[in-house]
Amino acid sequence: DADVTQTPRNRITKTGKRIMLECSQTKGHDRMYWYRQDPGLGLRLIYYSFDVKDINKGEISDGYSVSRQAQAKFSLSLESAIPNQTALYFCATSDLVEQYFGPGTRLTVT
Amino acid sequence: DQQVKQNSPSLSVQEGRISILNCDYTNSMFDYFLWYKKYPAEGPTFLISISSIKDKNEDGRFTVFLNKSAKHLSLHIVPSQPGDSAVYFCAASASVGNAGNMLTFGGGTRLMVKP
Repeated sequence: DADVTQTPRNRITKTGKRIMLECSQTKGHDRMYWYRQDPGLGLRLIYYSFDVKDINKGEISDGYSVSRQAQAKFSLSLESAIPNQTALYFCATSDLVEQYFGPGTRLTVT
Repeated sequence: DQQVKQNSPSLSVQEGRISILNCDYTNSMFDYFLWYKKYPAEGPTFLISISSIKDKNEDGRFTVFLNKSAKHLSLHIVPSQPGDSAVYFCAASASVGNAGNMLTFGGGTRLMVKP
């Protein structure tokens, strides 16, 4: 079984809709992250959490929110989706520096 | 402004030859560097890393070189194999003045190894 899982794997939604992406990890790490990938821009950090009570904004947090429901679960929400949020979204977890990534969610906002 | 840059968006190499992927950085506080490999429909996976106290780290066919004065690192793959075809991301971390050793990623280089 995968150490980091993401649901859904693919999602098409309309502008203005609320959507939640979910992430679970079985590695037992305290740190979890949400990134988005756009062509040529690499992975950009949206939010990160060092433990259940700790939530921090990353480089591009506008338009997103997160919830850390448990050590193993970290969800990302788009309260009102817009087309420029069309991207590949990755969840990751880490103990120290090296991060372990989920398989990604491809989100399309029409 | 991107602190980690991979200036070649793509690279094509013949099977058996050497692949050299390059990465430049601007933040002199970066002291740990990683390479990740990403196949389509999968998340990035860790490949190899190097600390700033070293200038070379080798793991099988993969070697990373670090030139701190030039703020440049490179990943060498020898010999290249078709299964190495993927997108490669360079990432950097600063242990000082950086909460939690966060990673800053480059834009990626797509490597294509032709049989």
